[in-house]
Amino acid sequence: DAGVIQSPRHEVTEMGQEVTLRCKPISGHDYLFWYRQTMMRGLELLIYFNNNVPIDDSGMPEDRFSAKMPNASFSTLKIQPSEPRDSAVYFCASSPRIQLAKNIQYFGAGTRLSVL
Amino acid sequence: DAKTTQPTSMDCAEGRAANLPCNHSTISGNEYVYWYRQIHSQGPQYIIHGLKNNETNEMASLIITEDRKSSTLILPHATLRDTAVYYCIVRVGFSSNYQLIWGAGTKLIIKP
Repeated sequence: DAGVIQSPRHEVTEMGQEVTLRCKPISGHDYLFWYRQTMMRGLELLIYFNNNVPIDDSGMPEDRFSAKMPNASFSTLKIQPSEPRDSAVYFCASSPRIQLAKNIQYFGAGTRLSVL
Repeated sequence: DAKTTQPTSMDCAEGRAANLPCNHSTISGNEYVYWYRQIHSQGPQYIIHGLKNNETNEMASLIITEDRKSSTLILPHATLRDTAVYYCIVRVGFSSNYQLIWGAGTKLIIKP
């Protein structure tokens, strides 16, 4: 299994530009999570999906952020317009269907975003 | 807010057992404890989880106190590749609506 695949690995953009981060979860996993990690705030959950449906987006910082999951094998996180404070590492994770004690999340390698 | 507290950093000699403590005094009866680690420049990696009983797998052992207010992750024979930030996490929620609440973690440095 290739694991969770994120692209691009690195993104450098200028303030005001649109940024799209992509994620391919592990096949068969029902849950998909988007996280943001910074030195100041650590790892923060932004949004997660269950069977392609957004369940909780309370962690999305503001309206400039949006996430979609058009099918079970693809998700995007979009920032429009981007700002320097959005610079962070963004992780995508997926998880198999809930089995009471087995909510194990598998993380991608992350996308390091730098907004100049 | 994270429901766990961990030391900021720890050292351990290579080949020795690394014991990482975690306090979760406000944990509820049905909330699991998870451990993940993050090696530099990589995504977090699942290690182990438990509810009440001690657990062991190929990576580590998890010891949970009887009152469930604290736990210890044990890496039996630490290697240099075990240098990472270790996160102790309590899962909150239920069924299809749950979250892992991440804290700051413990930076474990394995020394030769």
